[in-house]
Amino acid sequence: AQSVTQPDIHITVSEGASLELRCNYSYGATPYLFWYVQSPGQGLQLLLKYFSGDTLVQGIKGFEAEFKRSQSSFNLRKPSVHWSDAAEYFCAVGRRTTDSWGKLQFGAGTQVVVTP
Amino acid sequence: EAQVTQNPRYLITVTGKKLTVTCSQNMNHEYMSWYRQDPGLGLRQIYYSMNVEVTDKGDVPEGYKVSRKEKRNFPLILESPSPNQTSLYFCASSPRQGLAGQNLQYFGPGTRLTVT
Repeated sequence: AQSVTQPDIHITVSEGASLELRCNYSYGATPYLFWYVQSPGQGLQLLLKYFSGDTLVQGIKGFEAEFKRSQSSFNLRKPSVHWSDAAEYFCAVGRRTTDSWGKLQFGAGTQVVVTP
Repeated sequence: EAQVTQNPRYLITVTGKKLTVTCSQNMNHEYMSWYRQDPGLGLRQIYYSMNVEVTDKGDVPEGYKVSRKEKRNFPLILESPSPNQTSLYFCASSPRQGLAGQNLQYFGPGTRLTVT
């Protein structure tokens, strides 16, 4: 069965330090991969997505993610975090067979706290 | 402005009292979905709709109903709410085109429901 795992429930990082959020998926083929951010009291905003091609994907707000097929991972990174990056981050997968937004599956989320 | 709206944003109700949460999008999107978000569980899909009069169950449909009589609206109905339906609910919409396109999934701001 298709699944998405975000191993870290909570991460604390200092402002200016680098950030890496982990995402692992279990699926028979390479799925579509997404990272979303949810700021406090807000809906979800798409940061970036991977469909094919270059395995290093650039997104908004200075984020990037790298798809590693051998590890079934799609980790999100930012070289230098800002206080405004404090939020909850969700990894999601979509099935290529249905190619449908209607069947996205989300991970449980990682809460990021940024300290001064 | 392209947006997904949900009403109400906050609702406290009692067990068994029927309620409806409305969702409306102004982007002429074919796909619409309802998710619930619970701590530690991320977002789980309740129902989705691929077009008018076409709906299907997501991962956690029990206790919910939906309808899609018009393209822009996708209300979520709780016929007899129970405390385990206390959650944060998100509506989302996206165009018919596949996940690999330039299109995005747009989320509403969320509805926080408490059932006592």
